[in-house]
Amino acid sequence: DAKTTQPPSMDCAEGRAANLPCNHSTISGNEYVYWYRQIHSQGPQYIIHGLKNNETNEMASLIITEDRKSSTLILPHATLRDTAVYYCIVRARGTSYGKLTFGQGTILTVHP
Amino acid sequence: DAEITQSPRHKITETGRQVTLACHQTWNHNNMFWYRQDLGHGLRLIHYSYGVQDTNKGEVSDGYSVSRSNTEDLPLTLESAASSQTSVYFCASSTGQMAYEQYFGPGTRLTVT
Repeated sequence: DAKTTQPPSMDCAEGRAANLPCNHSTISGNEYVYWYRQIHSQGPQYIIHGLKNNETNEMASLIITEDRKSSTLILPHATLRDTAVYYCIVRARGTSYGKLTFGQGTILTVHP
Repeated sequence: DAEITQSPRHKITETGRQVTLACHQTWNHNNMFWYRQDLGHGLRLIHYSYGVQDTNKGEVSDGYSVSRSNTEDLPLTLESAASSQTSVYFCASSTGQMAYEQYFGPGTRLTVT
């Protein structure tokens, strides 16, 4: 599985966009990029995933570079409730194994 | 609305006792997973199941067992609780084809004294 690298922490002002980067330079062609977050004392929450095209859902947007070696999760209008640890995970879809490996992630703090 | 629940949310037990943590999901998902989360280790997979009567060991399965008698439930049993099993336990579920899009429960905080 491809290794991912994320900054340990980031700050964002409430109402502004939060852009969380992830490097995955060894990603292979069949591996997807998944994003999860974990708010303090809660279970992890699936946010979004993508292969090579940009993706958007009601929670966030995912921008993947053309060479797929990095990606950015965008929370368009961050709120205080978005303060959490954000995890970038790379996995090959289509397998039923389903094991998720959470690294250290990025601690996002949204300030008033 | 469909959901995944865990019970109890908090449990204190003594070393050597058998403990069972419950996990129930109403999404009709085939896949169910148990993880534990400890400081410095992140989430680690304990056991997982792809469907009724199917169970598999994860990376930290020693001292734990699971059984899957229906689609909705995957109880986790600690056969003889040890202090090293003090942790927060999360259950998760996903569909068969989207195994990595998992929905997690709220967690059970277990303390073994």
